[in-house]
Amino acid sequence: NAGVTQTPKFRILKIGQSMTLQCTQDMNHNYMYWYRQDPGMGLKLIYYSVGAGITDKGEVPNGYNVSRSTTEDFPLRLELAAPSQTSVYFCASTYRTDLNTGELFFGEGSRLTVL
Amino acid sequence: GENVEQHPSTLSVQEGDSAVIKCTYSDSASNYFPWYKQELGKRPQLIIDIRSNVGEKKDQRIAVTLNKTAKHFSLHITETQPEDSAVYFCAASRVNTGFQKLVFGTGTRLLVSP
Repeated sequence: NAGVTQTPKFRILKIGQSMTLQCTQDMNHNYMYWYRQDPGMGLKLIYYSVGAGITDKGEVPNGYNVSRSTTEDFPLRLELAAPSQTSVYFCASTYRTDLNTGELFFGEGSRLTVL
Repeated sequence: GENVEQHPSTLSVQEGDSAVIKCTYSDSASNYFPWYKQELGKRPQLIIDIRSNVGEKKDQRIAVTLNKTAKHFSLHITETQPEDSAVYFCAASRVNTGFQKLVFGTGTRLLVSP
């Protein structure tokens, strides 16, 4: 299994540009997440999905959009990029039922710089 | 909502010493507390977790303790080695009550000097 795969690993955007961070997992996980990591701030949840066709906002959703058309893929869309979106983005997934605790499996991260 | 505070933000120890990282949480209904390790430039990975029905859990050189009354939990690393150098994140959430939203602490950078 490849696990959780994110692309691109690095990207520089100009203010106002848009882009999509791709995330795919091959573990048949039902839950998928997008986090951003800023220095000294830990991991903040942007959006999450509990299954194909279902998404919801996390703690910091403004400026982002997501979709979940398949179990495997969970792309994150940045519209009108702003310097405040400069961060490292992590996609994660887990298989959750009512009984298990759901260890998060993270992708390698995508470092985005908005200038 | 849940709020997790983590201390210290940085911790330097000599190889062979013990290291302790502490977290406090605000939601008394939280019942699952994992710890993730993130090496420089790498992805976070789960190293140990504990549920609220257990007071302590050990896995070789690492252990986690939980005090539900005080709403704090700690990571203990004994006989530290240079490869333990990393950023450690604690987190808290509820399980078995709908969506499991993990709230992370701000991280502790541990540096183990040879």
